Amino acid sequence: GDSVTQTEGLVTLTEGLPVMLNCTYQTIYSNPFLFWYVQHLNESPRLLLKSFTDNKRTEHQGFHATLHKSSSSFHLQKSSAQLSDSALYYCALSDRTNTNKVVFGTGTRLQVLP
Amino acid sequence: DPKIIQKPKYLVAVTGSEKILICEQYLGHNAMYWYRQSAKKPLEFMFSYSYQKLMDNQTASSRFQPQSSKKNHLDLQITALKPDDSATYFCASSQGDWGPQDTQYFGPGTRLLVL
Repeated sequence: GDSVTQTEGLVTLTEGLPVMLNCTYQTIYSNPFLFWYVQHLNESPRLLLKSFTDNKRTEHQGFHATLHKSSSSFHLQKSSAQLSDSALYYCALSDRTNTNKVVFGTGTRLQVLP
Repeated sequence: DPKIIQKPKYLVAVTGSEKILICEQYLGHNAMYWYRQSAKKPLEFMFSYSYQKLMDNQTASSRFQPQSSKKNHLDLQITALKPDDSATYFCASSQGDWGPQDTQYFGPGTRLLVL
């Protein structure tokens, strides 16, 4: 079945440094939809950005990601981390079949320190 | 005003009992979902409904039964509760057309503790 692999565990950065959270996926479907969800402490997950177009950069709130089907990757990046970026980040995959099932990765916790 | 309401916010239950988690969405969406999140496991898809019909069930146990009385309601009944059921249960909804714009929106969650 579909699966998503993310950078494991906790990533700690100093404010102002670049952010890169890795995400790779496996699916038999040729046109998957990839998502990044962010979950701040004691909040529910919310969509950060999404893509289904190969090799097209998607941006939102300073974050960006590019879906590369050739390498089955959808890494999340930001040029300069802010304290408010500290959160749990989920990469997720949908094959857009009629169930709209979304498969989430294990999540990467980002901690930005001053 | 909250667009997705989940009740209760916190719930403590005794092993073996039965509880119902409530979810109502006021986004005009046609699809609704249940997810579970615990300390041991990441966000886990449980069910998807479209126009009140079950589309996908990824829950191995029949103790979890979704119930849809209206298009904008999707409750989750859990029977014979076990301590391992302790988790935060999120309801979500989406437009339901499965297109690129079909983003899922999550409710605030119900935090269940089974003793």
